Amino acid sequence: RKEVEQDPGPFNVPEGATVAFNCTYSNSASQSFFWYRQDCRKEPKLLMSVYSSGNEDGRFTAQLNRASQYISLLIRDSKLSDSATYLCAVNDNFNKFYFGSGTKLNVKP
Amino acid sequence: GAVVSQHPSWVICKSGTSVKIECRSLDFQATTMFWYRQFPKQSLMLMATSNEGSKATYEQGVEKDKFLINHASLTLSTLTVTSAHPEDSSFYICSAAGLTNTEAFFGQGTRLTVV
Repeated sequence: RKEVEQDPGPFNVPEGATVAFNCTYSNSASQSFFWYRQDCRKEPKLLMSVYSSGNEDGRFTAQLNRASQYISLLIRDSKLSDSATYLCAVNDNFNKFYFGSGTKLNVKP
Repeated sequence: GAVVSQHPSWVICKSGTSVKIECRSLDFQATTMFWYRQFPKQSLMLMATSNEGSKATYEQGVEKDKFLINHASLTLSTLTVTSAHPEDSSFYICSAAGLTNTEAFFGQGTRLTVV
């Protein structure tokens, strides 16, 4: 079983749409959770950390559900520039970072 | 965020030769460094985790004698792909985390092509 699983997509949405991604993790002892954004042929960049209480950064909202072992990312008012692959990452209790396969988002005009 | 520099950005080498990739944390001490490999249209796959001054821990299925990792200082880790073959062609990315960091920061990645 993979440490972290994501729907690969692609999610094709029009500009202005709201889109949500989920990611499940297998290790209940995982400590920290993150969403990264990866553009084509580039390294991943940290988008936001995910806290137990949920957190919001502009159009982006991240939430953690420890009981069900999933994290989510909500993007409101999608922009063309949001088109990318979104990776969730989980830091286990041995400080290893595991990544999901990524969810590809295409925002269309 | 913290800066991690990876070098070279891309490299082409002949089959059978070895290639060394460097990963440096420029503004923090990286107690742990991670090496990933990403094939086209696939996810990042963790290859190994290295802690400064100790042997790397390899993920299942990764040959430690083929992918030599050295983490001799708190700011530098190297990955050497030995006797490279065309199937080793991939995007290799390092990331680094320090004691006070809860997140990992990525290098720019190295695109390796073995011909």
